[in-house]
Amino acid sequence: EPEVTQTPSHQVTQMGQEVILRCVPISNHLYFYWYRQILGQKVEFLVSFYNNEISEKSEIFDDQFSVERPDGSNFTLKIRSTKLEDSAMYFCASLNGQGARETQYFGPGTRLLVL
Amino acid sequence: GENVEQHPSTLSVQEGDSAVIKCTYSDSASNYFPWYKQELGKRPQLIIDIRSNVGEKKDQRIAVTLNKTAKHFSLHITETQPEDSAVYFCAASILPGGYNKLIFGAGTRLAVHP
Repeated sequence: EPEVTQTPSHQVTQMGQEVILRCVPISNHLYFYWYRQILGQKVEFLVSFYNNEISEKSEIFDDQFSVERPDGSNFTLKIRSTKLEDSAMYFCASLNGQGARETQYFGPGTRLLVL
Repeated sequence: GENVEQHPSTLSVQEGDSAVIKCTYSDSASNYFPWYKQELGKRPQLIIDIRSNVGEKKDQRIAVTLNKTAKHFSLHITETQPEDSAVYFCAASILPGGYNKLIFGAGTRLAVHP
């Protein structure tokens, strides 16, 4: 069964550095998402992406964040200048969006630690 | 804003007992309610979902009920097994519109003791 994949699995960075988290959604899916989960807390929506543009973003997704689908397979989340509070697990998700298939499938996550 | 409340935060049961987790949503336009199971260090995985045109859905030992009037939905696990131990998240969304986000509850840590 196809799965969403994410790289790297872990990332340690210094405060103020840029990080890029990578995701490969399921190949025939049309909608892509990023969520984050601070340790021990709920999963929080960051951004949704469809047809090569952001369709919705949360308050968390400020100017330091950006997303891109640079080619037909990858979906990236960039944090320009990381802060300590960006430390979290970041999940990518994708959704088919065709017909009645509306389940979001999650990747394994990237654990980001900002020092 | 949109919010999903989930209770209890932790639940401990003996193997073979039933477990019930309850959620309440705030946005009356929500019409899709998935439940995800997350084992330690792993991705959330969908275990069951329900749409607002249905009051109850069952899949083997797992069932979900929905009360649209009260804006409540619940997960019921019968005959619990140790492998059911995990964190369970409820979520709410609005369909159609595939780009609509999932709003998650805070999670319930279920421990099933042999």
